[in-house]
Amino acid sequence: AQKITQTQPGMFVQEKEAVTLDCTYDTSDPSYGLFWYKQPSSGEMIFLIYQGSYDQQNATEGRYSLNFQKARKSANLVISASQLGDSAMYFCAMRGPPGGGSNYKLTFGKGTLLTVNP
Amino acid sequence: EAQVTQNPRYLITVTGKKLTVTCSQNMNHEYMSWYRQDPGLGLRQIYYSMNVEVTDKGDVPEGYKVSRKEKRNFPLILESPSPNQTSLYFCASSLIGGANEKLFFGSGTQLSVL
Repeated sequence: AQKITQTQPGMFVQEKEAVTLDCTYDTSDPSYGLFWYKQPSSGEMIFLIYQGSYDQQNATEGRYSLNFQKARKSANLVISASQLGDSAMYFCAMRGPPGGGSNYKLTFGKGTLLTVNP
Repeated sequence: EAQVTQNPRYLITVTGKKLTVTCSQNMNHEYMSWYRQDPGLGLRQIYYSMNVEVTDKGDVPEGYKVSRKEKRNFPLILESPSPNQTSLYFCASSLIGGANEKLFFGSGTQLSVL
């Protein structure tokens, strides 16, 4: 079974500083995808970044980067130059291969609430 | 614009009154799924569909029905809603496999069952 662990229920960061949100995962599938989603107070789920298990390079999308350490089974999200609009709940998620035992669903962690202070 | 459209955004109903939450995507995605989000429990999958006329149960299917008659639509049906189905519901869709398998989510439906 897949499992995602986010150990930081809440994080605070000063505007313009970088912040790392932790995520560890567990799976028996050799092929999987790791995702980060942002959920602002308005409730929608916004895709941020994706990392495939076979990708050699760490994924980057603008101010977001994913620090992928496969041997340690960690997929931390790094947000550079935090902005007030980054204040939100952040979810790490994993998806196994199609046809695998996970129903191809996205398994979510419990989330980290990030607050950016001015 | 590529999107998943869910309606309604907010819904208040009473116990036992059948309701349908609609979901439509314009990206020609094979995969569609419904999740519910509850405080302390995170997001849990209700039902999913890998293609037209192919649906299957997720982790919490009791009290829900779905259908996939067309590729773009995947409605969620509550035949006899109960208060424990009060939740935030998300529809999501994606391609299957490869680097494009990210899930696109609808805006969510906040359902309250009185």
